[in-house]
Amino acid sequence: GESVGLHLPTLSVQEGDNSIINCAYSNSASDYFIWYKQESGKGPQFIIDIRSNMDKRQGQRVTVLLNKTVKHLSLQIAATQPGDSAVYFCAERAGNMLTFGGGTRLMVKP
Amino acid sequence: EPEVTQTPSHQVTQMGQEVILRCVPISNHLYFYWYRQILGQKVEFLVSFYNNEISEKSEIFDDQFSVERPDGSNFTLKIRSTKLEDSAMYFCASRGLDEQYFGPGTRLTVT
Repeated sequence: GESVGLHLPTLSVQEGDNSIINCAYSNSASDYFIWYKQESGKGPQFIIDIRSNMDKRQGQRVTVLLNKTVKHLSLQIAATQPGDSAVYFCAERAGNMLTFGGGTRLMVKP
Repeated sequence: EPEVTQTPSHQVTQMGQEVILRCVPISNHLYFYWYRQILGQKVEFLVSFYNNEISEKSEIFDDQFSVERPDGSNFTLKIRSTKLEDSAMYFCASRGLDEQYFGPGTRLTVT
């Protein structure tokens, strides 16, 4: 697992509560943003995306908010479940390249 | 549901040896990527590939790295002479329109 290297901020929530994970991006030319979930030993799993011409997009239990003025992205997870425990990365795309943020570890307490 | 597959799941090699990591992208996708993730760190872009050529590459992707799409289904990453610091998870990804899907990764261990 991830025991060395980058220290990840951790969000600890009670099962059933809502979670909000935040991300600051850097490139004002980025036109597309994605949230990925990564479980230990697995590849990033697509959760939800949003284009730069939108400020909100909803999926099943998840909502992504985009504030281009302050270059901020957030992921809201409703009724968080133990299976949501993972590291969450935001990614921004400019051209054909994705740049990932540092990640936030979400821990769900039963 | 279509998925990106990668082989092997774990590769152990000695420093200085060549390795080839293999990927089968989703069949109707046109854009292909390699990323790496050093243990405990964030995912880093290596290279993107479109229309049979590299479209973008990062500083990490130096002359020791190369990519190839030898046939209509496989997409490979070759590291010519591995170094200890190449030890990482290597993820392949493919994209149709927008959504980029990742494979499960190959863990490369250089000893």
